[in-house]
Amino acid sequence: EAQVTQNPRYLITVTGKKLTVTCSQNMNHEYMSWYRQDPGLGLRQIYYSMNVEVTDKGDVPEGYKVSRKEKRNFPLILESPSPNQTSLYFCASRIDSPPYNSPLHFGNGTRLTVT
Amino acid sequence: AQKITQTQPGMFVQEKEAVTLDCTYDTSDQSYGLFWYKQPSSGEMIFLIYQGSYDEQNATEGRYSLNFQKARKSANLVISASQLGDSAMYFCAMREDTDKLIFGTGTRLQVFP
Repeated sequence: EAQVTQNPRYLITVTGKKLTVTCSQNMNHEYMSWYRQDPGLGLRQIYYSMNVEVTDKGDVPEGYKVSRKEKRNFPLILESPSPNQTSLYFCASRIDSPPYNSPLHFGNGTRLTVT
Repeated sequence: AQKITQTQPGMFVQEKEAVTLDCTYDTSDQSYGLFWYKQPSSGEMIFLIYQGSYDEQNATEGRYSLNFQKARKSANLVISASQLGDSAMYFCAMREDTDKLIFGTGTRLQVFP
């Protein structure tokens, strides 16, 4: 089944403890992205990647890192989480060749709480 | 300025009735795409429908249709014959010549019997 898989679904951690949220897609998509969703703010892009070894900042990259060593994986790293990073996180992917109307395929989300 | 504006934080509709969720956008690009996503209470994001800026006809997908008014920069989602399972958050999003998909703040739709 074609899908984007994120893990874990739920994560509670403490301030300053490094964590990684994994993301993997099996659709051979070039483009991958991370979003965070907060009430009243919609979804905001954190980082994106056009292909292997190519990553760029989105609108809210501070406090996050990503890597794209393989086409299928795009982990999100929080080196020193803070309470303002408590949020619902989504990984997404899409093909990046025509048609350019290809939608983003989303993972099921990771709900992160930082205390 | 907001790129995508959804002015209705919440909407109510009775089962079997039609409902329109509003979305206006702001862009100076000639080529862009508009998307609608549904987010049920379980949290996943489900793609519903797409409209391209050069598409002459309004997009339709089953009970979903997109009322695209280019001059007004609006891309309203119309759900016909609402069902209880349509209760969810709905997000409008736009893709310009950049690769980013920009989302609105969403509209929570509640369908009552």
